[in-house]
Amino acid sequence: EPEVTQTPSHQVTQMGQEVILRCVPISNHLYFYWYRQILGQKVEFLVSFYNNEISEKSEIFDDQFSVERPDGSNFTLKIRSTKLEDSAMYFCASGRLAGDNEQFFGPGTRLTVL
Amino acid sequence: GQQVMQIPQYQHVQEGEDFTTYCNSSTTLSNIQWYKQRPGGHPVFLIQLVKSGEVKKQKRLTFQFGEAKKNSSLHITATQTTDVGTYFCAVTYNTDKLIFGTGTRLQVFP
Repeated sequence: EPEVTQTPSHQVTQMGQEVILRCVPISNHLYFYWYRQILGQKVEFLVSFYNNEISEKSEIFDDQFSVERPDGSNFTLKIRSTKLEDSAMYFCASGRLAGDNEQFFGPGTRLTVL
Repeated sequence: GQQVMQIPQYQHVQEGEDFTTYCNSSTTLSNIQWYKQRPGGHPVFLIQLVKSGEVKKQKRLTFQFGEAKKNSSLHITATQTTDVGTYFCAVTYNTDKLIFGTGTRLQVFP
């Protein structure tokens, strides 16, 4: 069964450093998302992406964040200058259809900012 | 902003007992989804409810959407240790942005 994959599984970085989290969505999906989950808390929406552009973003997704789909298969989340409070699990998700439909989540990347 | 609350926050049950989690929205929903997240895992889609008063079953799991489309419940009959995890409802408000509920963490003791 096709699944969303994410790399790395764990990323440790120093505050102020840039990180890139990578995702390979399911191949025939057209809608892509990033969510984050701070330890012990609920899952929070960051950004949605369709047709090579951001369709919606949350207030968490400020100028330090960017997303890209560089080659038609990868979907990346970049944090330009990490802060301690960026430490969280970051989940990529993809969906086949827009709107109110099932999203398939990847296994996540645990980001630890020291 | 939109708030989606779930109760209880935690539930510990003996294996074989039933379990119910409730999800409440401050506004009327177009649909509601339920996800399960195992400890250390990622959210996995369980089901989507769309119609007012809708009831759907998946083996021991029963999902219900309120008549006013502002609340939903997930009921597990005769829990098993494999049911352990956090159950999240998730809603959308005319976009595909999922707003997750606060989650109910279920622990099942053998």
